[in-house]
Amino acid sequence: DAGVTQSPTHLIKTRGQQVTLRCSPISGHKSVSWYQQVLGQGPQFIFQYYEKEERGRGNFPDRFSARQFPNYSSELNVNALLLGDSALYLCASSLVGVEETQYFGPGTRLLVL
Amino acid sequence: AQTVTQSQPEMSVQEAETVTLSCTYDTSESDYYLFWYKQPPSRQMILVIRQEAYKQQNATENRFSVNFQKAAKSFSLKISDSQLGDAAMYFCAYRIPILTGGGNKLTFGTGTQLKVEL
Repeated sequence: DAGVTQSPTHLIKTRGQQVTLRCSPISGHKSVSWYQQVLGQGPQFIFQYYEKEERGRGNFPDRFSARQFPNYSSELNVNALLLGDSALYLCASSLVGVEETQYFGPGTRLLVL
Repeated sequence: AQTVTQSQPEMSVQEAETVTLSCTYDTSESDYYLFWYKQPPSRQMILVIRQEAYKQQNATENRFSVNFQKAAKSFSLKISDSQLGDAAMYFCAYRIPILTGGGNKLTFGTGTQLKVEL
């Protein structure tokens, strides 16, 4: 079975631009979470979605937004990019419920110049 | 604030030997889950092992086992018979419910870089 997939793998943008990152969950998983991992640190929670609704949001500015589609795939959008947005963006999918365990994709590396 | 602390930025182990990575956490929740994830140079975050806080028995997955001390809020990872492929950054994390929205989120430590030497 295919794991979590993310696209693109790498991206270079300039300050002020907008970016969209995409994630497809493991088949059968209905929940998608997004994390930001700055170099040298652990991942930080950005969003969780399931059933197309936002279920949680981390301490990130409104420039960050996301959505989930009927097929449970998800997009993360970041507007007005700042240099500090340069990071590895990880998507994780999971089943919903008490036994939820999050499985991660390979990430999208974003560089903002 | 809920935090996860990994006090060992780097650890080294000889191939075939045993190593223990430390993790402590701080939470006011009574029901939570704990995880160890491995992140090799490829950057893919791979689940190593998981522990339910309500279970007293320590989780084991092949060469990986944990020592879970709930009262002390300690969750260490033991890797036995270390292999070259175990070299990676290891992150401790716990999962708690998000009070508004009904979701769950993982809170990660800063990681321990494990080197495996011949």
